[in-house]
Amino acid sequence: AQSVTQLDSHVSVSEGTPVLLRCNYSSSYSPSLFWYVQHPNKGLQLLLKYTSAATLVKGINGFEAEFKKSETSFHLTKPSAHMSDAAEYFCVVSGITGNQFYFGTGTSLTVIP
Amino acid sequence: NAGVTQTPKFQVLKTGQSMTLQCAQDMNHNSMYWYRQDPGMGLRLIYYSASEGTTDKGEVPNGYNVSRLNKREFSLRLESAAPSQTSVYFCASSEWGVVGEQYFGPGTRLTVT
Repeated sequence: AQSVTQLDSHVSVSEGTPVLLRCNYSSSYSPSLFWYVQHPNKGLQLLLKYTSAATLVKGINGFEAEFKKSETSFHLTKPSAHMSDAAEYFCVVSGITGNQFYFGTGTSLTVIP
Repeated sequence: NAGVTQTPKFQVLKTGQSMTLQCAQDMNHNSMYWYRQDPGMGLRLIYYSASEGTTDKGEVPNGYNVSRLNKREFSLRLESAAPSQTSVYFCASSEWGVVGEQYFGPGTRLTVT
């Protein structure tokens, strides 16, 4: 069975400081992994994805994530937070068929001016 | 190019009433999905349709039915609404061969009293 654990339900950072949102996964096969962002009262938007190519994945808006198989982690980082980064972030793992996806419970990011 | 559209945006139902949530996409995607989002629980898959003419249950299908009307449209029906179905519902679509890159609609906020 596959599952996703987002280790922090809420993260606060100051504008201009680094962002780290943590995600661990559990899977019986080699999954695809994703990060999505949801701004208030909006749908979700794909930030980046890992599909068994390079382990360091670059996404939109300066975000990156590194797939670490030995640690079963896929943490999301950004060197310098911007006010517009304030949103809910979801880590997602694919199911074995590629047609089902399992979402973490989300991390709410607050950026303090 | 509207992407994924959902109607209605908001709905209030009384227990026992029925309703259909509509979803349409104009990206010629084969796969479509219905999720519900509840506080602290992330998104959970209700039903999905890998291609026109097929539908499959996700994690939480009880109390729901779906219809893949054609390649563009995928509707979700609540036959007898219950307060436990109060949630925000998201429709999403994706292409074959592009694992996990789902495009989400803006959501429908449903309250059942």
